[in-house]
Amino acid sequence: GAVVSQHPSRVICKSGTSVKIECRSLDFQATTMFWYRQFPKQSLMLMATSNEGSKATYEQGVEKDKFLINHASLTLSTLTVTSAHPEDSSFYICSAREWRLASTDTQYFGPGTRLTVL
Amino acid sequence: GESVGLHLPTLSVQEGDNSIINCAYSNSASDYFIWYKQESGKGPQFIIDIRSNMDKRQGQRVTVLLNKTVKHLSLQIAATQPGDSAVYFCAENTLQEYGNKLVFGAGTILRVKS
Repeated sequence: GAVVSQHPSRVICKSGTSVKIECRSLDFQATTMFWYRQFPKQSLMLMATSNEGSKATYEQGVEKDKFLINHASLTLSTLTVTSAHPEDSSFYICSAREWRLASTDTQYFGPGTRLTVL
Repeated sequence: GESVGLHLPTLSVQEGDNSIINCAYSNSASDYFIWYKQESGKGPQFIIDIRSNMDKRQGQRVTVLLNKTVKHLSLQIAATQPGDSAVYFCAENTLQEYGNKLVFGAGTILRVKS
């Protein structure tokens, strides 16, 4: 149980284009999903917290107009990197917290999406 | 401010030996801690967690120790195997205005020598 998927697993795009990454909770409903970014040989950095049906909360220094997050259902959140540039190349990882277990703080992580911007 | 750091960026152990990975945290208000394992190109995998009202918790071949006095967390892996080679992160759960979030440490690379 508690499986989180991401699609695509890797994507290569040209500079200036937009890329959408999907995060799905496969066997549970997630009221809260989180988006992280991880650069090579570094730790995970939280970008934003996404609650179903409401606007995402972004961490300091993360541009909300560049990283658009939509959490329209209890099983799907999307991250759109708009006008991507080479410096946006990174490993993007989502996690989800099950609504019934919200009090336990446990997050289940997806497998990540490798974004390369040429 | 909040930070979770690790003492050892790389740890090399012989197969069959025990491994100890350490982590220091700075937010004394954190009430929940998790260890994750991350293999190359994959997302973090939950290993074990511990709440602040405990000082030790055991799983299968893994033990987490929490010392709140010095704000120190450790992960012990018994009889380390080649499949344990990965990057290990500790994370602390912090309460924010809008909910809880995880703050990850820098990570420790565990290399198991056969």
